[in-house]
Amino acid sequence: DGGITQSPKYLFRKEGQNVTLSCEQNLNHDAMYWYRQDPGQGLRLIYYSQIVNDFQKGDIAEGYSVSREKKESFPLTVTSAQKNPTAFYLCASSIEGAGGTIYFGEGSWLTVV
Amino acid sequence: AQSVTQLDSQVPVFEEAPVELRCNYSSSVSVYLFWYVQYPNQGLQLLLKYLSGSTLVKGINGFEAEFNKSQTSFHLRKPSVHISDTAEYFCAVSEAGTGNQFYFGTGTSLTVIP
Repeated sequence: DGGITQSPKYLFRKEGQNVTLSCEQNLNHDAMYWYRQDPGQGLRLIYYSQIVNDFQKGDIAEGYSVSREKKESFPLTVTSAQKNPTAFYLCASSIEGAGGTIYFGEGSWLTVV
Repeated sequence: AQSVTQLDSQVPVFEEAPVELRCNYSSSVSVYLFWYVQYPNQGLQLLLKYLSGSTLVKGINGFEAEFNKSQTSFHLRKPSVHISDTAEYFCAVSEAGTGNQFYFGTGTSLTVIP
């Protein structure tokens, strides 16, 4: 089945550690996104990429990094510089061009312990 | 930049009653409009979308929405809700000519009361 796969579903991070969240899509979509979701605050854009080897910062990019080496993959690294990383992270993708629908993965919970 | 307002953060409604979740956006340029549903600990699932044509759009699970350009609104409605409709609902907008920029509202939590 086509879709967006995020892993792991649950991840625990110690203070000072970097962690990487995986996102893979087999929808042949050009654009991919990472959102952070906190209770009552909706979705906030971290990074997005419209093409391989290119990505742009979103509204809350500080403390995060991404790469886009392959069209189907867009991993997110939460670095130790992110002071409040506990949140639900959503990966998404869409077709390039206006009117394309954005589709989401099942999300990953990151908790700092 | 576009902004999306969901006027009600929480909406309680009795089972089998009708419901309307409101969504307004800021810009009057040509837009594409979406409603998504999110169940606990899951990603967002597309309910319906408006790209062009008829202003009344029907989606999954018996939901529908009406695009009103003059009021820059895209309200979501269902004539009779079920317990299983309890979830978070998000309105989203993208603008023609801006590629893949999506703007989301802060969500409306719908609770269906038995």
